[in-house]
Amino acid sequence: QVQLVQSGAEVKKPGASVKVSCKASGYTFTSYGISWVRQAPGQGLEWMGWISAYNGNTNYAQKLQGRVTMTTDTSTSTAYMELRSLRSDDTAVYYCARDGSGSYYPSYWGQGTLVTVSS
Amino acid sequence: ETTLTQSPAFMSATPGDKVNISCKASQDIDDDMNWYQQKPGEAAIFIIQEATTLVPGIPPRFSGSGYGTDFTLTINNIESEDAAYYFCLQHDNFPLTFGQGTKLEIK
Repeated sequence: QVQLVQSGAEVKKPGASVKVSCKASGYTFTSYGISWVRQAPGQGLEWMGWISAYNGNTNYAQKLQGRVTMTTDTSTSTAYMELRSLRSDDTAVYYCARDGSGSYYPSYWGQGTLVTVSS
Repeated sequence: ETTLTQSPAFMSATPGDKVNISCKASQDIDDDMNWYQQKPGEAAIFIIQEATTLVPGIPPRFSGSGYGTDFTLTINNIESEDAAYYFCLQHDNFPLTFGQGTKLEIK
């Protein structure tokens, strides 16, 4: 079965960077893209961007352009999301999610990674 | 960017009830609407795709309706295990956007 297992919780200071991993199993990693989504406390979900695990093409949310980088390592079936210049309003649970067949929207989700930005 | 207005934010139901959750889009998105269920500490589950199609493996008491700007998730004959956070997602255009979510409590 499809599984996405994310890395553990992180605490970072403002201005630092965080890199969250998402290890996939149960399917051919390069056949599907991965979206990253976050949810700040008490807020709705926010799409951060998408990466093709086939060729590394990315599509980032405009508001995060320049601060976010999504990558994949096909040798380990792992996707990564790095966010730089962290601010307090980046405190959120970060999710990875795999596309469905022939689609660019999330079908399978990871369990989430809490990133806390605090001085 | 398409804004999704989801309501209600919170609702309470009794086993056997029927509940409706609404999601309204700020522009026409055809049937490019999905619904998801999430329980605390667990990965979200995909329940409805393309507004009306039940994802395989999801109980038939879940259904979706709507087209264009107005969409509804309906849960018939609610069970205690349906207590969860439900959210909608539009995939008609980028950026993908989500509703604010509905927390469903079962009494």
